Amino acid sequence: QAVVTQEPSLTVSPGGTVTLTCGSSTGAVTSGHYPYWFQQKPGQTPRTLIYDTSNKHSWTPARFSGSLLGGKAALTLSGAQPEDEAEYYCLLSYSGARGVFGGGTKLTVL
Amino acid sequence: EVQLVQSGAEVRKPGESLKISCKGSGYIFTSNWIGWVRQMPGKGLEWMGIIYPGDSDTRYSPSFQGQVTISADKSISTAYLQWSSLKASDTAMYYCAKYDTSGGGMDVWGQGTTVTVSS
Repeated sequence: QAVVTQEPSLTVSPGGTVTLTCGSSTGAVTSGHYPYWFQQKPGQTPRTLIYDTSNKHSWTPARFSGSLLGGKAALTLSGAQPEDEAEYYCLLSYSGARGVFGGGTKLTVL
Repeated sequence: EVQLVQSGAEVRKPGESLKISCKGSGYIFTSNWIGWVRQMPGKGLEWMGIIYPGDSDTRYSPSFQGQVTISADKSISTAYLQWSSLKASDTAMYYCAKYDTSGGGMDVWGQGTTVTVSS
């Protein structure tokens, strides 16, 4: 089974910009992996932010964006707010529509 | 409004069986995959498997194949996750989530079901 890797933790200043990445042990992440990004705050259900690499839901704050960067999927937060402090997970899709989550990135806004 | 409502918290002993549920509403239940996700205490999200209620096509993660059974009853718009013999290591929060139309991942999540397995 593939392993999906994320930075364990990152810190961003309020108003700053940070990029979280999502890599695959099988090689470069492509749009064919349908990268998804989820936000989970303590004690809450996960919330889907980005689907299919870069698409946003109606509830996704405009400051979040998704892309492919250097062979990885990337989630960029521009203009971080205190309420963005959370755990972020990526999900990649592999053969047979089987998914694998990354280990998560704990984002601190400080 | 699209909603997934999961069954309530469960406490079981090792070796017991269990079936938890996830009822969909506000959309055509048979037209989207439903996924199950495990989150052990203090840990990350784990993709367990998915089912397409329209024809019961089911895919499992290799990590969960043979350990759980995913099923669905489209007549009542409900998906299930079941264990035949629980272990203490099955203690976790379990989420169901509806896949979006692209089929790559989830858009709407259930509220989660806590399963505690303890003697």
